[in-house]
Order: sequence, then structure tokens, then C-alpha cells
Amino acid sequence: GDSVTQMEGPVTLSEEAFLTINCTYTATGYPSLFWYVQYPGEGLQLLLKATKADDKGSNKGFEATYRKETTSFHLEKGSVQVSDSAVYFCALLNAGGTSYGKLTFGQGTILTVHP
Amino acid sequence: DTGVSQDPRHKITKRGQNVTFRCDPISEHNRLYWYRQTLGQGPEFLTYFQNEAQLEKSRLLSDRFSAERPKGSFSTLEIQRTEQGDSAMYLCASSSGLFSYNEQFFGPGTRLTVL
Repeated sequence: GDSVTQMEGPVTLSEEAFLTINCTYTATGYPSLFWYVQYPGEGLQLLLKATKADDKGSNKGFEATYRKETTSFHLEKGSVQVSDSAVYFCALLNAGGTSYGKLTFGQGTILTVHP
Repeated sequence: DTGVSQDPRHKITKRGQNVTFRCDPISEHNRLYWYRQTLGQGPEFLTYFQNEAQLEKSRLLSDRFSAERPKGSFSTLEIQRTEQGDSAMYLCASSSGLFSYNEQFFGPGTRLTVL
């Protein structure tokens, strides 16, 4: 079945550092890929998405490119802020077959940014 | 704010008791999903409704679990004879439109603790 693997965390960075959170996936067909973020005490929010190979999703300075050849969707940000501290989830949605759009999530990566 | 709401936010119960959670999706959203998230893991899909019809259920949804969405509006998730392994965050999400890859909006979740 479909699966998503994220890099082990937690990740601790200083403000203005470069961020990469690795995400790889296994899926049949052509899934859509997502990054969700969960800030402390809040619900999951969509951060960015890409629906086909080579698409780049971007939002709030974060970017991720859908790489079908390496089955990856790594999250990057050039300069993190303290306010980026949160848990980040990579997810896929496989709309093929009998799927009705359920999301398959990775285990999450905790990011802590220090001033 | 007209986002997804869930009630209660927290529930503590004793093993063997029944519990029921409610989810109110964003108005006019025809798709509704339930997920379960255990500590340190990403959310896992439980079940999906399109309007009032329950179209997909995960094998995670044992016979003790039942979900309904009468009239295609709010949804309830009931767990009978709770077990300690049911302790988790139960998340509800909704989306709209024809395409299953449309953004899912998540509620804040109901945290269940089974003693």
C-alpha cells in the first residue's frame, strides 16, 4: 500500500538557518503530495501541495518539488524563524482506483527554532 | 470563524465505557474524513463520507467503532467498550468539490484518554 517516510526528528535550528526536511513516498499511480503543519495547540494546516511530477509547491517561504524519479518531496526554507517551530507532516493522496481522497501521512518531524 | 469544529476537545473515560465525538464540517463541504493520531505518529485514515454515504472504512475501524453523518451535515464517531489502545487524538477533516485532491481542512481534534 501507499506509505510516506519522513526524516527522523526532532530538528533544532538557529533563526535564519536553512531548513530541509526529507520526505520520500511509495505509491502506485500518480499521487498528489502535501506538506501539512501543526503549530502548538492548533489543528493541522495545509502548508503547500503539488499535484504532478516536477510541480513546485510554495507558501510562506517554504518550497517543495515533486520528484517522481526519486519519489521525493523534500521541504525547504532558506531562512527559518522562531515562529516556524511546529510539527511538519508530509502526506500523499492517491486518487486512483477506489480511493476517495484519504491522506496517507508520514510520522511527522518536530522543528524547533531558537533565537 | 467557520472552520471545522469538533466536540468535545478532550475526553477522559474508563475502560469499557462508550464515547461519542462530534464533528461539524465547513458548511457546504460534501466530503468528510475521520483520522486517528497517536503520540509521535502522523494521522491515520479511519473513514470517509460523501454527503451522508459512508464510502470507505479503514481496517483500523474495528466493530467497536461506528460513524454516521445523518443528512450529510455533522458527523459522529462512537467507540463502544473503549480500550486503553483507543487513547489518541481523533481528527475530522472536510473538503468540497468534485476532485478528491481538493484541500482537506482539519478540525482541532478530540483527545481521548482511556484509563
